[in-house]
Amino acid sequence: DSGVTQTPKHLITATGQRVTLRCSPRSGDLSVYWYQQSLDQGLQFLIQYYNGEERAKGNILERFSAQQFPDLHSELNLSSLELGDSALYFCASSVGQVGTSGGNTGELFFGEGSRLTVL
Amino acid sequence: DAKTTQPTSMDCAEGRAANLPCNHSTISGNEYVYWYRQIHSQGPQYIIHGLKNNETNEMASLIITEDRKSSTLILPHATLRDTAVYYCIVRVYGMDSNYQLIWGAGTKLIIKP
Repeated sequence: DSGVTQTPKHLITATGQRVTLRCSPRSGDLSVYWYQQSLDQGLQFLIQYYNGEERAKGNILERFSAQQFPDLHSELNLSSLELGDSALYFCASSVGQVGTSGGNTGELFFGEGSRLTVL
Repeated sequence: DAKTTQPTSMDCAEGRAANLPCNHSTISGNEYVYWYRQIHSQGPQYIIHGLKNNETNEMASLIITEDRKSSTLILPHATLRDTAVYYCIVRVYGMDSNYQLIWGAGTKLIIKP
């Protein structure tokens, strides 16, 4: 158990719909990362938040958005869903930002993922 | 784009050492090498990381060549539970003035009885 909680575990919806994925980081972790993993693909970095502020963006579509709340949990919003959005969505957390000074080893702790199926 | 190249798949006999190679010939001097693994669509799990010295922990050893252009992850006594996709990742300084882990496709390691 990594200590990172993601909900829902599974979600089935239709094209054009909007969903929200939720992530609770490990206690004390300030950074939250979102990744997308399509079938048999590697992980694609979407976005990172640190203590409520957006810190880095990857290959995140304009139809997707995220935020990190004061209690440090994060939500990933996916709208106008398309068939190609079907994937595993992982949340990860870390104490600080990957590679910053202050002793952060860069270890990310991943949740078990939310499997999104768009029909 | 991923900065690493790994074999698509490898087999290893249970109880033997599994040696997973990774090529990162374009790595810069301050870029770390990380290894994670993912067991059957579960969340990836951190294994080890290093800069230029060899590293060892309770899970594995990481051997980095002197020129830092390649590395090898060693699982000393592989078990069936080590069957997973192993990702060799380079931490780079991104355009957002932030460090990023750049993930490749990984190596599917199958441990055989």
